[in-house]
Amino acid sequence: GNSVTQMEGPVTLSEEAFLTINCTYTATGYPSLFWYVQYPGEGLQLLLKATKADDKGSNKGFEATYRKETTSFHLEKGSVQVSDSAVYFCALSDWEHTDKLIFGTGTRLQVFP
Amino acid sequence: GAGVSQSPSNKVTEKGKDVELRCDPISGHTALYWYRQSLGQGLEFLIYFQGNSAPDKSGLPSDRFSAERTGGSVSTLTIQRTQQEDSAVYLCASSLGGALQTDTQYFGPGTRLTVL
Repeated sequence: GNSVTQMEGPVTLSEEAFLTINCTYTATGYPSLFWYVQYPGEGLQLLLKATKADDKGSNKGFEATYRKETTSFHLEKGSVQVSDSAVYFCALSDWEHTDKLIFGTGTRLQVFP
Repeated sequence: GAGVSQSPSNKVTEKGKDVELRCDPISGHTALYWYRQSLGQGLEFLIYFQGNSAPDKSGLPSDRFSAERTGGSVSTLTIQRTQQEDSAVYLCASSLGGALQTDTQYFGPGTRLTVL
């Protein structure tokens, strides 16, 4: 079945460091891919998405490119801030089953000044 | 505009009691989803409603769980005879419900359920 695998955390970085959080997926067909973020004490928010191969989603300095050949959707940011500290979830939409989201396990990012 | 709202924000109950969790989707959104976020299982799909179609209940973990959506808007998730393993944050999401795959789901703040 469809699944999402993302790197385990926590990822600990200093402010202004480069961030990569790896995400790979297994899916039939052509799912849409998402990154959601959960800030401390808050709900899940959509960070970015890509709906087809080679699409790049971007928001708030974060980027991820839908790579069909490597079945990946890695999240990157060139210079992280303390305010980026949160849990990041990679997800795909399971179009074969009512478009429900299938999530990875989440990666906690901690950024220190 | 208003986002997805859920109530209560926190619920503590005793094992064996029934609980009801409420979700108010974004106005105009025809699709509504329930998910559960727990330490052991991560984020998992529970149930999906789309307009007047029969709901997709494939994610409900047992027959103690049920949900309904009245008038195509508000939804209630009911857990009967709660067990300690039901302790989790229950998340509701809604989307426009148009084209599949490209539709973005917007999440509510969740209801944290603790079963003692």
